[in-house]
Amino acid sequence: AQSVTQPDIHITVSEGASLELRCNYSYGATPYLFWYVQSPGQGLQLLLKYFSGDTLVQGIKGFEAEFKRSQSSFNLRKPSVHWSDAAEYFCAVATNRDDKIIFGKGTRLHILP
Amino acid sequence: NAGVTQTPKFRVLKTGQSMTLLCAQDMNHEYMYWYRQDPGMGLRLIHYSVGEGTTAKGEVPDGYNVSRLKKQNFLLGLESAAPSQTSVYFCASSYRASTYNEQFFGPGTRLTVL
Repeated sequence: AQSVTQPDIHITVSEGASLELRCNYSYGATPYLFWYVQSPGQGLQLLLKYFSGDTLVQGIKGFEAEFKRSQSSFNLRKPSVHWSDAAEYFCAVATNRDDKIIFGKGTRLHILP
Repeated sequence: NAGVTQTPKFRVLKTGQSMTLLCAQDMNHEYMYWYRQDPGMGLRLIHYSVGEGTTAKGEVPDGYNVSRLKKQNFLLGLESAAPSQTSVYFCASSYRASTYNEQFFGPGTRLTVL
C-alpha cells in the first residue's frame, strides 16, 4: 500500500530565508503527488500537484516542488518565506486506482521575525 | 459560492450521546470525504462517497456512520460518542477521483467528548 512520510514534525526558519520541506512516498508505480497547506483554524488548501511531465511543478504563493523518482521524494521549496507562510503543510499521494489520497502527518512551519 | 460548509463548528458531547455532523458543498462535486485530524496523526479518512447514494469505508470507520442521500450533502453520525472520538473533523469534496482532482476542504468541526 502507498504511504507518505514527512520526516520533520516542526521546522523553524527566519523570515526571508529559503525553505525546503521534505516528503518521501512509498509506491511501486508512478504516484500522483500533492502538497496542501493548513493555516491555523482553517481547512486545507491545495498548493500544487504532480501527475506527469516536468518534474518541477509550480504552485500558488510562490511555492514549487520537485519530483525525484530515484529518491522517492517530492520536496516543497520556497526561495524566501514570509510570516504569512506559518502553517502546517501536508504531503499526499494517490494512485491511478484509488478514489482517495493518503496524507502525511504534516510539518508545522514556524517563522522567526 | 460558499464552497464546502460544515455544521456545527464546535460541539461538546458526553460519552454515549449521539450527534450528526453535516457537510454541504455547492460545487456539484461527485466525491465527498470525512476526515479526522488528531495531533501528530495528520488526516485520516473515516468514510467517503463517490456519488449520491453510495458510501465506503476509509482508514478509521469504526464508531461512525455516514449517509449521502443528496449529492450536495454528506452526513457523519456518531451513534454513541466516546472520548477517543474527540478530534477535529474535516469534510472535503472533489469533482471526480482524488487522483486527478483537487479536494476542497471545509473549515472543520471541533468535537470534544467528555
